[in-house]
Amino acid sequence: AQSVTQPDIHITVSEGASLELRCNYSYGATPYLFWYVQSPGQGLQLLLKYFSGDTLVQGIKGFEAEFKRSQSSFNLRKPSVHWSDAAEYFCAVPYNQGGKLIFGQGTELSVKP
Amino acid sequence: NAGVTQTPKFRVLKTGQSMTLLCAQDMNHEYMYWYRQDPGMGLRLIHYSVGEGTTAKGEVPDGYNVSRLKKQNFLLGLESAAPSQTSVYFCASSLLAGTSVNEQFFGPGTRLTVL
Repeated sequence: AQSVTQPDIHITVSEGASLELRCNYSYGATPYLFWYVQSPGQGLQLLLKYFSGDTLVQGIKGFEAEFKRSQSSFNLRKPSVHWSDAAEYFCAVPYNQGGKLIFGQGTELSVKP
Repeated sequence: NAGVTQTPKFRVLKTGQSMTLLCAQDMNHEYMYWYRQDPGMGLRLIHYSVGEGTTAKGEVPDGYNVSRLKKQNFLLGLESAAPSQTSVYFCASSLLAGTSVNEQFFGPGTRLTVL
């Protein structure tokens, strides 16, 4: 069965430092993979998605993610974090039909000055 | 375009009361979804709809009912609210997926407290 795991519940980084958020998936075929961001009190916004092709995907707000089939991972990265990046980040994969998504538990990112 | 909107934004209920959450989208999307978000559990799918007049159960459907009488609206009902239904509820929509999977667009959420 499809599943997605985000091993880190909470991460704190300094402003200007690099960031990597981990996502591991279990999926039978070549997966579709998504990263969403949720700012406090807001809904979820799509950062980036992987369907096929180039394994390094560029998203909005300077984020990128790399699909690594051998590691079943789709980690999210940003070279220099801004205070406005403080939010909760969710990795997601589809399951069955109907466009349904399974979300990871989320990683809360705090940014310290 | 307003995208996906949800009504109300906040609500407090007493145990046993009923209520309906309204989701509306103006993007002509076929698919619509209701999720609940609880700390440490991510988002869990309650019910979803693949088109007007059709609904299906998701991961955690018990205690909820839904209706999709119009393509643009997806209603979530709680017939007899319980404290376990205290949560933040999100509605989402996406284009007809076909054999692919499309991005889901989310509403701002409804924070529900059941006392």
